[in-house]
Amino acid sequence: LAKTTQPISMDSYEGQEVNITCSHNNIATNDYITWYQQFPSQGPRFIIQGYKTKVTNEVASLFIPADRKSSTLSLPRVSLSDTAVYYCLANQAGTALIFGKGTTLSVSS
Amino acid sequence: SQTIHQWPATLVQPVGSPLSLECTVEGTSNPNLYWYRQAAGRGLQLLFYSVGIGQISSEVPQNLSASRPQDRQFILSSKKLLLSDSGFYLCAWMPGGRVNTEAFFGQGTRLTVV
Repeated sequence: LAKTTQPISMDSYEGQEVNITCSHNNIATNDYITWYQQFPSQGPRFIIQGYKTKVTNEVASLFIPADRKSSTLSLPRVSLSDTAVYYCLANQAGTALIFGKGTTLSVSS
Repeated sequence: SQTIHQWPATLVQPVGSPLSLECTVEGTSNPNLYWYRQAAGRGLQLLFYSVGIGQISSEVPQNLSASRPQDRQFILSSKKLLLSDSGFYLCAWMPGGRVNTEAFFGQGTRLTVV
């Protein structure tokens, strides 16, 4: 199982772009990189997933370099409601989903 | 569409009492199922996962057990609760047999052992 490492916390202001980097040095060939967001007293919610290069959806972008040993979640123009814990996973189907400690993002006005 | 049901939402139990938390998934077949616990201010700890009926993998040795009596039913149990079992318990499912997929979580059970 690929272990992931993320910063424990990050601070930002409304309207700024936030980039959270995750390290997964021992990622396996079949692993996909998935990011989740969690608010207090709720289960994590899927944000974005990718295998390589760049993926973009309506809420975020995911950048994955060619060696796939890291990934960066980019949140454009964050708002107060983006204050949450963000988890990075490198996983494949049928295996344990290990969430780790995540990154606590605090957005201030 | 697929939905996941987890109950109860909150539970207060005395130390030494038994526990049974149930999770069911609708609208899919052969899902991968997961139980997590989250202590206050901490990350998600994977307790058990299952890729099929009767197939349970335990990630953390403790006084909890899990069972999957039916394809879309996952039960978390304890014979005697400890104070340290308090926390937020989450059930999740993923489509089975797929690589590029996401996990879907239930609403969680807030367990307080007193």
